[in-house]
Amino acid sequence: QSALTQPASVSGSPGQSITISCSGTNSDIGSYNLVSWYQQHPGKAPKVIIYDVTKRPSGVSDRFSGSKSGNTASLTISGLQAEDEADYYCCSYAGSRVLYVFGTGTKVTVL
Amino acid sequence: QLQLQELGPGLVKPSETLSLTCNVSGVSVNNNVYYWGWVRQPPGQGLEWIAALYYSGNTYYSPSLKSRVTIAADTSKNQISLTLTSVTAADTAVYYCASLRVRTFHLWGPGTMVTVSS
Repeated sequence: QSALTQPASVSGSPGQSITISCSGTNSDIGSYNLVSWYQQHPGKAPKVIIYDVTKRPSGVSDRFSGSKSGNTASLTISGLQAEDEADYYCCSYAGSRVLYVFGTGTKVTVL
Repeated sequence: QLQLQELGPGLVKPSETLSLTCNVSGVSVNNNVYYWGWVRQPPGQGLEWIAALYYSGNTYYSPSLKSRVTIAADTSKNQISLTLTSVTAADTAVYYCASLRVRTFHLWGPGTMVTVSS
């Protein structure tokens, strides 16, 4: 099972919106509405920011939103802030044999 | 409040067995809401799912590691363990314990760095 494909880096200015794509296959993203997104600051553990494609855990800013179309999921960060500078990983459930596949990761830089 | 804390040896020699534990506090490891997983991250690289333990007792492993890895629960100590045999330098990584809920890695421990070197 290959990792989901994400752009290596995305950047934006404060206040702008950016979108991170996560490309999979019809064995993972395309088959299940079970995509989650994780934010990881340097030296820290990942933290879930989106689950079940579009849902936000309690306490996560509504500037983060998720979507899915076919085999590709997306994370949008609106009103970009300096604190959003981090690595972001998508993850999809991939069935009973593989279970979970992570994305390659995207480094977000706030200019 | 659920909290997770990984414990590991720090340094393991090639070909040896790596044993990790995850202390779980705030909930019983055999509850029927959360289940448990391990994820690792080699230095400067991305996340890789390793194993999951469902509250049914069923275990699931990454196909690439399945022959070398075992996940288990110790209910007397409220711990989740991970054992990885025949380690090589490619197993050098930060290892994270995580709680899973509705197919989501809901909460992560701070991680423990493991280096494989002679």
